[in-house]
Amino acid sequence: EAQVTQNPRYLITVTGKKLTVTCSQNMNHEYMSWYRQDPGLGLRQIYYSMNVEVTDKGDVPEGYKVSRKEKRNFPLILESPSPNQTSLYFCASSLSNYLGGDTQYFGPGTRLTVL
Amino acid sequence: TQLLEQSPQFLSIQEGENLTVYCNSSSVFSSLQWYRQEPGEGPVLLVTVVTGGEVKKLKRLTFQFGDARKDSSLHITAAQPGDTGLYLCAGAYEDYGGSQGNLIFGKGTKLSVKP
Repeated sequence: EAQVTQNPRYLITVTGKKLTVTCSQNMNHEYMSWYRQDPGLGLRQIYYSMNVEVTDKGDVPEGYKVSRKEKRNFPLILESPSPNQTSLYFCASSLSNYLGGDTQYFGPGTRLTVL
Repeated sequence: TQLLEQSPQFLSIQEGENLTVYCNSSSVFSSLQWYRQEPGEGPVLLVTVVTGGEVKKLKRLTFQFGDARKDSSLHITAAQPGDTGLYLCAGAYEDYGGSQGNLIFGKGTKLSVKP
């Protein structure tokens, strides 16, 4: 089954404790992206990757890191989480970065709480 | 920062009623997507519109792209409880070359259809 998986689905942590949210897709997609979703603010893009070893900042990259060492994986790293990073996080992928032609598939989300 | 205004923010209607959701910007889109998101899940793509004036239909849902490619609307005919969810529009702006690397989401319209 074609899908985007994220782990963990739920995470409660404390300020400053490094964490990684994994994202994996089995569709051989080139493009992958991370978003955060907050009430009243909607979905905002954190980072995206056009292909292996190619990453770029989205609208809200501060406090986050990503890597794209393999095509299928795109982990999101919070080196020193803070309470303002409490949010619902989504990973997404598509065949290419052409919005007009390709469907973007979203993962099920990771609900992160930073105390 | 590009802005994509979506209205209304909340909509509560009775089964059988019609409704329209709007997505507007002062900038020109190279293409625009509509998504539907259910609680606890990631957004799912409904449609992509690319050409100014384009109209696409998906059963009881009609999507329209403005002639000037600055606005879009989603019209639902005879709404059903199964249509309940969060509807999101997302656009790629022409001056960014239209790639998904620069996808901007509206804040969403939370639709509730009561039986």
